[in-house]
Formats: sequence, structure tokens, C-alpha cells
Amino acid sequence: AQRVTQPEKLLSVFKGAPVELKCNYSYSGSPELFWYVQYSRQRLQLLLRHISRESIKGFTADLNKGETSFHLKKPFAQEEDSAMYYCALDNAGKSTFGDGTTLTVKP
Amino acid sequence: DTGVSQDPRHKITKRGQNVTFRCDPISEHNRLYWYRQTLGQGPEFLTYFQNEAQLEKSRLLSDRFSAERPKGSFSTLEIQRTEQGDSAMYLCASSFTGFADTQYFGPGTRLTVL
Repeated sequence: AQRVTQPEKLLSVFKGAPVELKCNYSYSGSPELFWYVQYSRQRLQLLLRHISRESIKGFTADLNKGETSFHLKKPFAQEEDSAMYYCALDNAGKSTFGDGTTLTVKP
Repeated sequence: DTGVSQDPRHKITKRGQNVTFRCDPISEHNRLYWYRQTLGQGPEFLTYFQNEAQLEKSRLLSDRFSAERPKGSFSTLEIQRTEQGDSAMYLCASSFTGFADTQYFGPGTRLTVL
């Protein structure tokens, strides 16, 4: 069975500090992993996915198959990054989400 | 096209009643997904369609839940004989089939069962 774990429910950093949101997964095949973000009063939206190897809004995420992790990182957090972040794993259309991490960036 | 839409946005019902929710996906999207989300948890997969075919259904879904997408466009999710445990946000998403296709989410329907 596939499972996604986000060990931190809450994460608080100061503006300009580095931030790392942790995501660990359990899956027997080759995973397709995503990070979704939900800003206040907005709908859930894709932030980035591992196959694109892209940086969105300064965020990057590297898939580490040895550690079964897909942590989200940003070197300098901004106040507008405050949101709920979800890590998700997709298996042929069936997606499994973690329970999310609420990131607060303090001024 | 303003994205995925869901109707109603809020529904309050009494235990034992049936409820039906509607989702209108982005027009060119052939995949449509339903999720349930309770407070403090991430979205939980319920089912998904490719065109009108229901390809996957969660084993967590009881027989009281049914979903349809009759013409491969909009979809409905029906819950029969609602229970208080059904209270949750029901999310719909759509995507266009591709490798690691991006899902676009609707605003959700919040169900409260009294």
C-alpha cells in the first residue's frame, strides 16, 4: 500500500530563513511525487512535481529513493509562502496525500 | 473556462438523507477525481474517471457512495443514508491524461450531517 507521511503539522520560520518541509513515502514501484499548496481561502493547487525537476516560486524538491523522501526546500522564505503544503504520490491516477504541513513565515 | 466548479458549495442535511454533489471539470480534461477531506487531514482518494469510465474506486468507499460521469463531462457523487461520519469537504479535480498529469482542484463542497 502506498503511504505519504509529513511529520510536521506546523512549521514556523522567520522571513529570509531557509525552510524545509519534510515528506516521506512508502511505495513499491517508481513513484510520481508532487507538492501541492493551499493558500488561505484558495483552492488546492499544484506547486511542483518531481519529474519536471523545476523550481517554482523558489521552491525545489529532490526525490531521494534511498531515503524514500521528497522534501520541499526554499533557501529564503517569504511571508507570502505562508500556506498549507501537501505532499502527494500518484499511482496510475490514484493519488495519496499526506496530512499536510502548515507553514507560517513570520516577518 | 474558470476552472473546476462544484455545486453546492455547502450542504447541511439530516442523518439518513441522501445527498448529491456535482462537479464540472475543465472542458478539455478527460480525467475526473473525487476526494474527501476531513479536518486536519489531507485529501483522501475516493474514485476517478477517464471519460465516462470509472477506473478506480477506493476500498474505503462504502456501498452508500456512488459516482457517475455519464457523458464524460460533469460528474455527480451521491451519498445515500448519510451518517455523521460523512461530514467532510468533498473535493473534485480534473486533469488531461498524460505522464504525471496535473490535477486541477475545485473549491469543494462542505457537507455537514446533523
